[in-house]
Amino acid sequence: DTAVSQTPKYLVTQMGNDKSIKCEQNLGHDTMYWYKQDSKKFLKIMFSYNNKELIINETVPNRFSPKSPDKAHLNLHINSLELGDSAVYFCASSPPPAAGSGYTFGSGTRLTVV
Amino acid sequence: SQQGEEDPQALSIQEGENATMNCSYKTSINNLQWYRQNSGRGLVHLILIRSNEREKHSGRLRVTLDTSKKSSSLLITASRAADTASYFCATVGGTSYGKLTFGQGTILTVHP
Repeated sequence: DTAVSQTPKYLVTQMGNDKSIKCEQNLGHDTMYWYKQDSKKFLKIMFSYNNKELIINETVPNRFSPKSPDKAHLNLHINSLELGDSAVYFCASSPPPAAGSGYTFGSGTRLTVV
Repeated sequence: SQQGEEDPQALSIQEGENATMNCSYKTSINNLQWYRQNSGRGLVHLILIRSNEREKHSGRLRVTLDTSKKSSSLLITASRAADTASYFCATVGGTSYGKLTFGQGTILTVHP
């Protein structure tokens, strides 16, 4: 069973469209994240949710809206897509920091805005 | 902002050789983690070292942490072609509630 699964794997869309990426984890973790990896492979956190509550919002444009219907799911909706949104988006989950365990990442969604 | 700087940015070695990657960071940390990313794939957690630890081993991996210098190193011994990947260090700060802040990564190429 895939621990953190995100769909779709590839997304090609035109500027101005709205799209969503879904993420689900079956690890029982309370905390989930969205990270963005740019063309230079730099990874930056976008959002973090703990048990459905937003705890980190890293100055992301409000065109990006995360939604967590339950602690196993964290979806990302993007409005009015722009060329600069093209990147690979990774979902991840983790146990509490005190557990001292690593994070589990999904395989990524490659978004291309044309 | 980016937390870590990794050195070197790219490393090319022969199978059987050891590979050492270094990471520096700027603020105090709770722990430091290393991840591997194969081309076109997600990140895989390799090893975590807490701020009160100085060295940790896992299989062919050895990680050191020097909090006074705000630096860490990852040593991969007896490298294999399958170790070819990008390696990232990432830190978790004391007040960031688990936020991973990544370095820029080292691209490791192991030639058979």
